[in-house]
Amino acid sequence: DGGITQSPKYLFRKEGQNVTLSCEQNLNHDAMYWYRQDPGQGLRLIYYSQIVNDFQKGDIAEGYSVSREKKESFPLTVTSAQKNPTAFYLCASSMKGSYGYTFGSGTRLTVV
Amino acid sequence: AQRVTQPEKLLSVFKGAPVELKCNYSYSGSPELFWYVQYSRQRLQLLLRHISRESIKGFTADLNKGETSFHLKKPFAQEEDSAMYYCALSGSGYQKVTFGTGTKLQVIP
Repeated sequence: DGGITQSPKYLFRKEGQNVTLSCEQNLNHDAMYWYRQDPGQGLRLIYYSQIVNDFQKGDIAEGYSVSREKKESFPLTVTSAQKNPTAFYLCASSMKGSYGYTFGSGTRLTVV
Repeated sequence: AQRVTQPEKLLSVFKGAPVELKCNYSYSGSPELFWYVQYSRQRLQLLLRHISRESIKGFTADLNKGETSFHLKKPFAQEEDSAMYYCALSGSGYQKVTFGTGTKLQVIP
């Protein structure tokens, strides 16, 4: 069953700690994306990657880092430099062309 | 800079009434427009793309370049249409997608 999997579903972090969110896809999609979803603000792009070992900053990359060592995986690290990390994080993937995104089910991160 | 505007946070209609979810965009080139939907407790999913000119679940959307709009329409609303709807825009290929802030559609029985 092809799809995109995000884990964990819920994550709690203490202030000052880094945390990594997992995103894995078996759709053979080249491109992967990370978005942050906040109430009333829609989805905002954090990072995206069009090919293995390459990625670009999105609109709100400060305080986040990513890696793309494998086509299937695009983990997102929320660092202690991110001032307001509590949010719902969505991972997506796409293939070349105008086919739109396939989304994961999301990870809700709460800083405690 | 590319921008998507969805002016309504909430749209309430009665079952059987027509639905129009508004979307306006700003983009310097030739945009690709999408509508995504998120039903309660489900993941965000693609509803339709302007390039395919398709009708999905009775919804249609026409790209109006003169008015820079891509409104989503359905002639008769159903209760199962209640969801959050996002309009989205990108350039061609792998260009990043910009989303609107979303409109919650509530269909009243």
